[in-house]
Amino acid sequence: GQNIDQPTEMTATEGAIVQINCTYQTSGFNGLFWYQQHAGEAPTFLSYNVLDGLEEKGRFSSFLSRSKGYSYLLLKELQMKDSASYLCAVRDSNYQLIWGAGTKLIIKP
Amino acid sequence: NAGVMQNPRHLVRRRGQEARLRCSPMKGHSHVYWYRQLPEEGLKFMVYLQKENIIDESGMPKERFSAEFPKEGPSILRIQQVVRGDSAAYFCASSPSGQDPTGELFFGEGSRLTVL
Repeated sequence: GQNIDQPTEMTATEGAIVQINCTYQTSGFNGLFWYQQHAGEAPTFLSYNVLDGLEEKGRFSSFLSRSKGYSYLLLKELQMKDSASYLCAVRDSNYQLIWGAGTKLIIKP
Repeated sequence: NAGVMQNPRHLVRRRGQEARLRCSPMKGHSHVYWYRQLPEEGLKFMVYLQKENIIDESGMPKERFSAEFPKEGPSILRIQQVVRGDSAAYFCASSPSGQDPTGELFFGEGSRLTVL
């Protein structure tokens, strides 16, 4: 079966750095996505990785290792507004997105 | 607002009634996806549609659920004879192409269905 694993919840301090991991087993691979979802709101696109390596976009970076079936989202200089759920999704060989359950990130002052 | 528009934002139904959820994709987008999300859970794919065609309905229950995306007008997710287990947030997303290289989906704000 297809599976995406992420930690259920993480806590970090304002101004610090946090890394949210995602491991996946899917039938084929056509890219990995990270979305941010604030409570009660729509998910919004953060990043896309299809090749191994690190993609940096401001305070957020996303890393992919296809051989290990592993990705992480790195958030730097955390702000209170970063408190949200972070969803990892993998596009399989049928171009269907398989979603993880999300990691709820709690930022403390 | 050129974003994905969903309505109603909140819908309350009694068991056995019908629920109709509407989604207007972003301008220029011809691909619509419906997802269901239970509290504290991830998004579960339901159905993928293009104008007048259902491309993939593998995530949608065979009974009571149906979806359409007519040539004119919004996409509609219809749930007949609702049960308490149908209570969830239903998100619609759109994209300009089904196989866009970046694959970014644009989501609506969701419709929250509560079945009493």
